[in-house]
Amino acid sequence: QVQLKESGPGLVQPSQTLSLTCTVSGFSLTSYNVHWVRQPTGKGLEWMGVIWTGGSTDYNSALKSRLSISRDTSKSQVFLKMNSLQTEDIATYYCARGRRFDYWGQGVMVTVSS
Amino acid sequence: EIVLTQSPTTMAASPGEKVTITCRASSSVSYMHWFQQKSGTSPKPWIYDTSKLASGVPDRFSGSGSGTSYSLTISSMEAEDAATYYCLQRSSYPWTFGGGTKLELK
Repeated sequence: QVQLKESGPGLVQPSQTLSLTCTVSGFSLTSYNVHWVRQPTGKGLEWMGVIWTGGSTDYNSALKSRLSISRDTSKSQVFLKMNSLQTEDIATYYCARGRRFDYWGQGVMVTVSS
Repeated sequence: EIVLTQSPTTMAASPGEKVTITCRASSSVSYMHWFQQKSGTSPKPWIYDTSKLASGVPDRFSGSGSGTSYSLTISSMEAEDAATYYCLQRSSYPWTFGGGTKLELK
């Protein structure tokens, strides 16, 4: 069945780089695009960016200078890297499948602290 | 950036009551999409392309709207509908979500 699972360090030091992995199963990354969405605790959702089936990407302009999304289709993994992390980046980070966001991962909570 | 404003931000409804949540866009969008999120869980797709129910969504839910004004309606509130609902526009980058409407059971 379709599954997405985010993984990565739960704690990042201020000004450092966040690296997250979304491992998918039950579908191919060449058939479905994958989005990253984040949610600060108790707040709303923010679309971060997408990697399309052909490998191209689009980013939220507010994050574009810090954000990179890539993938390894052979491993069914999508990667998020965001640099210069600050306390405003504390959130749960989700990956989601397709234009309809029809499947989501469970999310990974990221804290920024020294 | 298209800003989506949801109203109300919080509301409570009694069982059987009709509920309407509105999402207004700062510029015209082609479609609106809705998600349901319960506390501690990932969002779920609820309504896509303005009025199409996602798989498994009860038919007491409906969606409508055009241009800059869209709505999600529950014809008769049930306890399981208590959740936070978010609208999403995909017409223009960056894709943006509304701030959410928390629906509680009265």
